[in-house]
Amino acid sequence: GEDVEQSLFLSVREGDSSVINCTYTDSSSTYLYWYKQEPGAGLQLLTYIFSNMDMKQDQRLTVLLNKKDKHLSLRIADTQTGDSAIYFCAEKNTGGGNKLTFGTGTQLKVEL
Amino acid sequence: NAGVMQNPRHLVRRRGQEARLRCSPMKGHSHVYWYRQLPEEGLKFMVYLQKENIIDESGMPKERFSAEFPKEGPSILRIQQVVRGDSAAYFCASSPNTDDGYTFGSGTRLTVV
Repeated sequence: GEDVEQSLFLSVREGDSSVINCTYTDSSSTYLYWYKQEPGAGLQLLTYIFSNMDMKQDQRLTVLLNKKDKHLSLRIADTQTGDSAIYFCAEKNTGGGNKLTFGTGTQLKVEL
Repeated sequence: NAGVMQNPRHLVRRRGQEARLRCSPMKGHSHVYWYRQLPEEGLKFMVYLQKENIIDESGMPKERFSAEFPKEGPSILRIQQVVRGDSAAYFCASSPNTDDGYTFGSGTRLTVV
């Protein structure tokens, strides 16, 4: 079955860049997503990338996809305290309908 | 355009009671998905429904759990005879079709005491 893995914690200083990594096992992934979850809240879609792309930039966010290594990363430039949250990567594959498989989430802590 | 509305936000049930969780999708969205998030874990898929049909229930526990999305009204996730292990956050999401991404609701946090 599909498996998506992330490191559990990341701590950065305000103003630095954050890089959150994700690996997945399913080679038939079509879309890969990054969601943000603040305490007690639902999931907010940040950005997504189609599997035939290797990079996508959206303001402070840069997504890199290495399809050969099945590695996805999210870079947040100029990280702010408001970026403190849990970040989930998720993948959708061709055989799964519209079902997403989520990683366990990376807790980002931004320190002053 | 209101987002995905879930209610209640918090639900406390005693062991053995029934829990009913409601989800109203975004306007124009006919696809609904339920996910469960156990403490300090990612979201796990439970069920995918379209109006009046269950499309994929591969993530639903075989017993005590059921879901529906009637022609009129919200989608309901029903858990009968709740146990402590059912305590979790239950998230609903909706999409207009299978190609577009989801919009998630804020979740229902179920606590079984």
